Amino acid sequence: EAGVTQFPSHSVIEKGQTVTLRCDPISGHDNLYWYRRVMGKEIKFLLHFVKESKQDESGMPNNRFLAERTGGTYSTLKVQPAELEDSGVYFCASSQDARRVSPSYEQYFGPGTRLTVT
Amino acid sequence: AQSVTQPDIHITVSEGASLELRCNYSYGATPYLFWYVQSPGQGLQLLLKYFSGDTLVQGIKGFEAEFKRSQSSFNLRKPSVHWSDAAEYFCAVGPYGGATNKLIFGTGTLLAVQP
Repeated sequence: EAGVTQFPSHSVIEKGQTVTLRCDPISGHDNLYWYRRVMGKEIKFLLHFVKESKQDESGMPNNRFLAERTGGTYSTLKVQPAELEDSGVYFCASSQDARRVSPSYEQYFGPGTRLTVT
Repeated sequence: AQSVTQPDIHITVSEGASLELRCNYSYGATPYLFWYVQSPGQGLQLLLKYFSGDTLVQGIKGFEAEFKRSQSSFNLRKPSVHWSDAAEYFCAVGPYGGATNKLIFGTGTLLAVQP
């Protein structure tokens, strides 16, 4: 079974440019999460999709970040325009529907996308 | 507010020595607790989790953790460390089900293993 995949693995962009990160969850996983780790800090939650709907986007830093999950499959996270403080590692995770599987809470993480804004 | 504290940023142990990584949490309800490990170039891998029941939890790769409610702790242990255990370890807490399943992570502990 393929795990969570993320693309690209690294991205270096200049301040003001746009970057789009992609996440492909494990097939059949309804839940998809985005997290971010700024260097030296904790991994912080950004948002949670259930299928194509945003269940919780309380962690999104500001309106320069736009996440989508078309058709409830893969997800993209766009940063436009990028700022220096957006640098960090962006993780995607997926999990099954908690109502169908027990215990179902495990989130499977991808390898992350390292974003550097210069 | 919910939070997770990993007081040790960096730990170095000798191969074969025992290991204990500390984790303390602040959480209003009964927490679900997790330990993840990230090896270089890899995603976070779940080592073990605690939902309820026996407070000593066994995980993969020979790791175990003990939930102590009175101390709000969930420390990770391994009796004999292998060089391949060198990685970064994250403790996390989360709610069960509900509308959102977000995890709250600590800052991580980077483990180095000396030969």
